Amino acid sequence: ELKVEQNPLFLSMQEGKNYTIYCNYSTTSDRLYWYRQDPGKSLESLFVLLSNGAVKQEGRLMASLDTKARLSTLHITAAVHDLSATYFCAALNDYKLSFGAGTTVTVRA
Amino acid sequence: NAGVTQTPKFQVLKTGQSMTLQCAQDMNHNSMYWYRQDPGMGLRLIYYSASEGTTDKGEVPNGYNVSRLNKREFSLRLESAAPSQTSVYFCASIGQTNTEAFFGQGTRLTVV
Repeated sequence: ELKVEQNPLFLSMQEGKNYTIYCNYSTTSDRLYWYRQDPGKSLESLFVLLSNGAVKQEGRLMASLDTKARLSTLHITAAVHDLSATYFCAALNDYKLSFGAGTTVTVRA
Repeated sequence: NAGVTQTPKFQVLKTGQSMTLQCAQDMNHNSMYWYRQDPGMGLRLIYYSASEGTTDKGEVPNGYNVSRLNKREFSLRLESAAPSQTSVYFCASIGQTNTEAFFGQGTRLTVV
């Protein structure tokens, strides 16, 4: 059964510094997703990663996928307050989409 | 193009009452999903439907039933609501060729 683990669960960031969120999954996955959720809101799609070595970037966020290690990372460059949110990764295997527990990010001045 | 539409947005039920949460997508997606999200927790899969005519249990199916009415619609039914089912419920869909997974706006359900 596919299990998805994220770490850390909580991340206090200082503005201007770089950080990484890790997402490990237990079995072969067809796709790896990253989402952002603001309090009281739905999930906003950030990235979809399809193949080994895939890298996608949008603004200060960059996601990568290593299928051999079953690991995806979300790298945050020069954190700003607007990035405060909860970030989820999710892995798709045989039509089943399973989520990690989420990483709650707080960016402080 | 509405994407994924959930109804209702809010609902309060008394223990033992039944209700159906509706979800519809207009993107011609094959796969649809129901999740619950409890405070401070991630999304837990209740049921999913890989394609029209099929449904499968997720991590937390007890107390729920689903119907994939057609390709567009996937409903979630609580036959006898319990306070433990107080949660925010999200519906999602994924297409065969479109790789993104789209989410509805959520249904906030309180069982008293």
